[in-house]
Amino acid sequence: AQSVSQHNHHVILSEAASLELGCNYSYGGTVNLFWYVQYPGQHLQLLLKYFSGDPLVKGIKGFEAEFIKSKFSFNLRKPSVQWSDTAEYFCAVNIDDYKLSFGAGTTVTVRA
Amino acid sequence: SQTIHQWPATLVQPVGSPLSLECTVEGTSNPNLYWYRQAAGRGLQLLFYSVGIGQISSEVPQNLSASRPQDRQFILSSKKLLLSDSGFYLCAWRPRQGEAFFGQGTRLTVV
Repeated sequence: AQSVSQHNHHVILSEAASLELGCNYSYGGTVNLFWYVQYPGQHLQLLLKYFSGDPLVKGIKGFEAEFIKSKFSFNLRKPSVQWSDTAEYFCAVNIDDYKLSFGAGTTVTVRA
Repeated sequence: SQTIHQWPATLVQPVGSPLSLECTVEGTSNPNLYWYRQAAGRGLQLLFYSVGIGQISSEVPQNLSASRPQDRQFILSSKKLLLSDSGFYLCAWRPRQGEAFFGQGTRLTVV
């Protein structure tokens, strides 16, 4: 069965620190990959997505992610976080036109 | 533009009572529709998805059911709620290939 693993449950860091959140999936075929963010009290919103092409994907708010097919990974990065990046981050994978599975989420707390 | 409506926003129901949560999508046709449950530390658990009217796929065995009586309507139901059904339920839609768009969610408390 397809699964999505996010390695970090809770990350705490200071403003201007770099952020990297891990995401791995278990499926050997073609996948579409997503990172979503949920700010406190708000809806889930899309940060970035990968369908094909350049494995380094740029998203909103300075986020980027790199798809490494050989490692079944799609890690999220931001070079310098801000207090406003405090949120919960979800990796998601779909392997066909239908199912979209999410990881358990990583809570990121940025201290001013 | 497309919009998704989910209601109610909050709901408190006694154990053993029925449940009906409704989700409708506007501005698109033949969307894929989803019900998720979000729990702290467990991410979004996919409960049901539907690729067309009357077509429901269940991901986990549970006390809930789903129906899609119209193209853009997706309903989550239960005949008798359990305490363990408490949680935050999210409806989402997506085109055949693309990102998912989420409703505001329903906070269900079973007492």
